[in-house]
Amino acid sequence: DIQMTQSPSSVSASVGDRVTISCRASQDLSNWLAWYQQKPGKVPKLLIYAASNLQSGVPSRFSGSGSGTDFTLTISSLQPEDFATYYCQQSTSFPWTFGQGTKVEIK
Amino acid sequence: EVLLVQSGGGLVQPGGSLRLSCAASGFTFSSYEFSWIRQAPGRGLEWIAYISSGGRTVFYADSVKGRFSISRDDDKNSLSLQMNSLRAEDTAVYYCARDPPWRYWGQGTLVTVSS
Repeated sequence: DIQMTQSPSSVSASVGDRVTISCRASQDLSNWLAWYQQKPGKVPKLLIYAASNLQSGVPSRFSGSGSGTDFTLTISSLQPEDFATYYCQQSTSFPWTFGQGTKVEIK
Repeated sequence: EVLLVQSGGGLVQPGGSLRLSCAASGFTFSSYEFSWIRQAPGRGLEWIAYISSGGRTVFYADSVKGRFSISRDDDKNSLSLQMNSLRAEDTAVYYCARDPPWRYWGQGTLVTVSS
């Protein structure tokens, strides 16, 4: 199974900060990686697919990069509505797996 | 508008069975693949089952293999998850989702396994 490891597990940040979340895979994913945002009690929302493609309707302050085993989600200027938990997920091979999540909290 | 509307769920005793459904609308159901994804209380997301378009290919997470069964009815635009031999650790919110990447999700349904 492909293990997905996110870091950090949580981050405290202020509105306007730049936030970077890392995701490392135990095997080469090529670019079959997606990022999801989830707020408490809500359905997960797709932010980025194929490592760097911004899903329609998602603000441009979100960006994704990386390939192979190392990937990054960047929020260029944190907004109040961005406080949430973020998950990376691979769909290279079954079983499809998620990272453990990164909680972005208000500082 | 793409909609995935879930039904089923609820409280079941350990060892019991439950069937979840996901009714789709707003797109050509038969052309797409689907997954079930779950989230235990306070925990992260876990993919548990996949079915291809046409239904010939299915995959399961080890945690549910042999106990859960995913199926689809393209005539009724419906996806199902049959859950047998349920355990306390199966307690979670269950989501259906289309593709990946999962742009479209059901609203989620809570399954509680407890005596």
